Amino acid sequence: KAGVTQTPRYLIKTRGQQVTLSCSPISGHRSVSWYQQTPGQGLQFLFEYFSETQRNKGNFPGRFSGRQFSNSRSEMNVSTLELGDSALYLCASSLRPRGETQYFGPGTRLLVL
Amino acid sequence: ELKVEQNPLFLSMQEGKNYTIYCNYSTTSDRLYWYRQDPGKSLESLFVLLSNGAVKQEGRLMASLDTKARLSTLHITAAVHDLSATYFCVLGSNFGNEKLTFGTGTRLTIIP
Repeated sequence: KAGVTQTPRYLIKTRGQQVTLSCSPISGHRSVSWYQQTPGQGLQFLFEYFSETQRNKGNFPGRFSGRQFSNSRSEMNVSTLELGDSALYLCASSLRPRGETQYFGPGTRLLVL
Repeated sequence: ELKVEQNPLFLSMQEGKNYTIYCNYSTTSDRLYWYRQDPGKSLESLFVLLSNGAVKQEGRLMASLDTKARLSTLHITAAVHDLSATYFCVLGSNFGNEKLTFGTGTRLTIIP
């Protein structure tokens, strides 16, 4: 069974641009969560989606948004990029929203110059 | 605010030795996870602990949970180099969703 896939794996952008990251969950998994990992803040929760609905959102500004499609694939978008948005963005999927182990993808490493 | 604290943050240990990583958390939860992350890689699920007194073992790693003390431990037995990684203690949410709260991580280096 294929794991969680994320595209692109690496991305370089400049301040003020926007970026869209994509995540394909494990087949059959309907819950997708996004996390940001930085050396300073560690791993922080961004959003959780289930059945195309955002169920929970972390403490991030409105520049960070996401969505989930009917096939459970998810995208996250960051607009007006700032230097501090440079991070590893991890997507995780699980069968259901609660009580299930989340399986993480390889991440997208974003560098904002 | 939910806090998950791990100690130590950094740990160097010799091969063959035993050691324990501690995880304290600030509020109740019905599940706690341990994940492993190799440098530059993603996170790999190791254990999920669901009840007080739960103990799980896989190879040289053993995790336990004491919900009354809000403490989980990850014990490493007879460490080998392959165990070098960062280990995260992760708390699940009680609020009907699956927001994970991560500990700071413990960077473990096994020295030959």
